[in-house]
Amino acid sequence: EDQVTQSPEALRLQEGESSSLNCSYTVSGLRGLFWYRQDPGKGPEFLFTLYSAGEEKEKERLKATLTKKESFLHITAPKPEDSATYLCAVREFSGGYNKLIFGAGTRLAVHP
Amino acid sequence: EAGVTQFPSHSVIEKGQTVTLRCDPISGHDNLYWYRRVMGKEIKFLLHFVKESKQDESGMPNNRFLAERTGGTYSTLKVQPAELEDSGVYFCASNAGLISGEQYFGPGTRLTVT
Repeated sequence: EDQVTQSPEALRLQEGESSSLNCSYTVSGLRGLFWYRQDPGKGPEFLFTLYSAGEEKEKERLKATLTKKESFLHITAPKPEDSATYLCAVREFSGGYNKLIFGAGTRLAVHP
Repeated sequence: EAGVTQFPSHSVIEKGQTVTLRCDPISGHDNLYWYRRVMGKEIKFLLHFVKESKQDESGMPNNRFLAERTGGTYSTLKVQPAELEDSGVYFCASNAGLISGEQYFGPGTRLTVT
């Protein structure tokens, strides 16, 4: 069964203190790994899609990387507005099925 | 372009009552998905529509849940009768095709069953 595990569960950073969030996965065949950001009371907001080991994507202070077993979301010089829950998901895509399997998320708090 | 919208944003009902949640996907998106998050757990898949057809309903918890997408536009998710364990946040998502894979989520409906 496909599984996604995120760590840490929660992370507190000072503004400007860079760090990384981890997403480890076990899937029979990866058809995409997705990073989402979720603010309180809102739905997940799409950030990145990664498809193959070695791939990297960047957006502002965020960079996502992918290996055969895990993905990292690197946050460089974070600001308080980066505070949110970051969700990782893998896509189960076979036989016409297309669904996302989510991890529990990492709650990030960035303090001034 | 308008995003995925969901109605209501919050619903409080008593055990045994019926509730209907609505989702309007992004215009032109053939694929519509329902997910939910119950307290303390991760977001879990419920079902997937392609236009008006149910492509995959493997995540539906039991027959108290009925999803429809008449005409291939908006979708409704009915819970009848509601139980305490149905409380949670129900998300709808949509996408145009299956190649890229990313799904665009609505704000969710928070359902509280008392």
